[in-house]
Amino acid sequence: GAGVSQTPSNKVTEKGKYVELRCDPISGHTALYWYRQSLGQGPEFLIYFQGTGAADDSGLPNDRFFAVRPEGSVSTLKIQRTERGDSAVYLCASSLNRGRGTEAFFGQGTRLTVV
Amino acid sequence: DQQVKQNSPSLSVQEGRISILNCDYTNSMFDYFLWYKKYPAEGPTFLISISSIKDKNEDGRFTVFLNKSAKHLSLHIVPSQPGDSAVYFCAAGSNFGNEKLTFGTGTRLTIIP
Repeated sequence: GAGVSQTPSNKVTEKGKYVELRCDPISGHTALYWYRQSLGQGPEFLIYFQGTGAADDSGLPNDRFFAVRPEGSVSTLKIQRTERGDSAVYLCASSLNRGRGTEAFFGQGTRLTVV
Repeated sequence: DQQVKQNSPSLSVQEGRISILNCDYTNSMFDYFLWYKKYPAEGPTFLISISSIKDKNEDGRFTVFLNKSAKHLSLHIVPSQPGDSAVYFCAAGSNFGNEKLTFGTGTRLTIIP
């Protein structure tokens, strides 16, 4: 597709379960970002990939959160032992990383609800 | 600590008039700023950006002004149209970072026909 695609669009899970959220970036975009948006807040940075490597994971809240991008394209955000506080919209974005300030293109997000 | 602040959670403007959305920041290391627009159930969409070496950038109906000494920027939309009704996020980044963005909490703009 032409844009950033995220699946699933909605995910409801029970507290304590494991979830995976998928992001398909725009073809050719080397930079990929995960953000989390809680109700009434702006998106908060989680992790940044340049190619296959996580260049900055300083935004991951704790070690229950992990993300991979094994082939430098699709990325998966993994959350172990989910808690109700993990409920949020998880946004993925990609960019060409041509230079500072190059706009990132966002997917529609995955709404995660932990019950 | 909120490094990027949008103090107005909502704004209503008559169609055809000017909409002015404000944003303040505290981190002097920010080198560029962007505005994103978000409709319900969609991801944010890039609108316009400005580098810290400029004080104004214009693109059609959208103009962003930057006042570095006041650490303040604003987005002007003129004339406002009903399709402009959305949540607007201000975001900032640093040339010494990795292009990760720090977002404000957003302003919900409603254009009244």
